Amino acid sequence: SYELIQPPSVSMSPGQTASVTCSGDKLGERYVSWYQQKPGQSPVLVIYQDKKRPSGIPERFSGSNSGNTATLTISGTQAIDEADYYCQAWDSGAASAVFGGGTKLTVL
Amino acid sequence: QVQLQESGPGLVKPSQTLSLTCTVSGDSISSGSYYWSWIRQPAGKGLEWIGHISTSGSTNYNPSLKSRVTISVDTSKNQFSLKLSSVTAADTAVYYCSRGSRTRYFDYWGQGTLVTVSS
Repeated sequence: SYELIQPPSVSMSPGQTASVTCSGDKLGERYVSWYQQKPGQSPVLVIYQDKKRPSGIPERFSGSNSGNTATLTISGTQAIDEADYYCQAWDSGAASAVFGGGTKLTVL
Repeated sequence: QVQLQESGPGLVKPSQTLSLTCTVSGDSISSGSYYWSWIRQPAGKGLEWIGHISTSGSTNYNPSLKSRVTISVDTSKNQFSLKLSSVTAADTAVYYCSRGSRTRYFDYWGQGTLVTVSS
């Protein structure tokens, strides 16, 4: 089955640029989306189709996807960005959605 | 604004069938090219896609759960439902319903409902 691998945690100082990676075989050939989840809340879509932002998501959130790695970048990280982030793609072979294991972003 | 709301028992006994319903408002469940999905999250763990039903009524399920899962739709009530049979403690989780797009991202989510499997 298809797997997406994320680092368990990333730490960043306020104002710095945070990057969260998601790795998978030939991931660049699939669309990747990213979700932000804060404690006790439902996930929120922050990036879809690799690099598009839904309405209402700040411009500091951006995405890229090439080769075997997709990256969520948060420019000028703020305390409110502290959350778990999940990448997701579609495994067409299994006709199944796949999520990465999640990355906890800590803003120190 | 599309809204989704899960409902169903919060406690299910082992070996029984878990049944949840998602009520959709702000959109017709039978129009557009969407995939009405169920996703779950055990406490302290990541997200796991369970399956979906399309507006045309076709279904796809997570291969690891396929033998136990049924997703159906009731267009008259604008609802879709999940049934998961032969549950064990490993099925204890927060269950979310969500709307999936044509390119398979999830843009609207319910608030989630905790289902505990215990005798």
